Amino acid sequence: DQQVKQNSPSLSVQEGRISILNCDYTNSMFDYFLWYKKYPAEGPTFLISISSIKDKNEDGRFTVFLNKSAKHLSLHIVPSQPGDSAVYFCAASDSGNTGKLIFGQGTTLQVKP
Amino acid sequence: GAGVSQSPRYKVTKRGQDVALRCDPISGHVSLYWYRQALGQGPEFLTYFNYEAQQDKSGLPNDRFSAERPEGSISTLTIQRTEQRDSAMYRCASSFRSSGAPYNEQFFGPGTRLTVL
Repeated sequence: DQQVKQNSPSLSVQEGRISILNCDYTNSMFDYFLWYKKYPAEGPTFLISISSIKDKNEDGRFTVFLNKSAKHLSLHIVPSQPGDSAVYFCAASDSGNTGKLIFGQGTTLQVKP
Repeated sequence: GAGVSQSPRYKVTKRGQDVALRCDPISGHVSLYWYRQALGQGPEFLTYFNYEAQQDKSGLPNDRFSAERPEGSISTLTIQRTEQRDSAMYRCASSFRSSGAPYNEQFFGPGTRLTVL
């Protein structure tokens, strides 16, 4: 049972345009959500997070939106840059638990110059 | 500053052999997690330590897998009698968070690529 799903395996956008990566979850106990970025041969790197008490968190070019009623979150990157090309993982946690992360399958983003 | 380190980076072993994978977390990080990642998938939780206490091992696939963190710092994940299906990337992550504290992000190491022939 996949509790966190990223239904788009890949996404290609032009440099300067907006990238939107989507993530859906099923467990209503999740109260903290994170996005990680992964380059080849490296471990995932934390990018941005959001608590379930918020519906938006912004950090520079990166904004995460949370829609609790739809159990959906998205990551917006604007403007997209070629260096943003990587695999992006959505992760969720029940902070009242051990804090373990449940990851989606990942979306490979390619930003074309 | 040093991040999470893991050794070895690559391990090739024959079926039936035991392997030990090491994780050196960020200094001062209380929580330590082990994950396993198959190709094309996200990391999958294996086990969790708060200081030296193993508080959740619900993700360990079977009793061939074990982990320890005896002094609350370095951790070792051991796989006994390895099988081909154990081949994967094994990732360690650490966090400043302790049980009951507000959530903190986890910092991942580069992983150990295990291949069982």
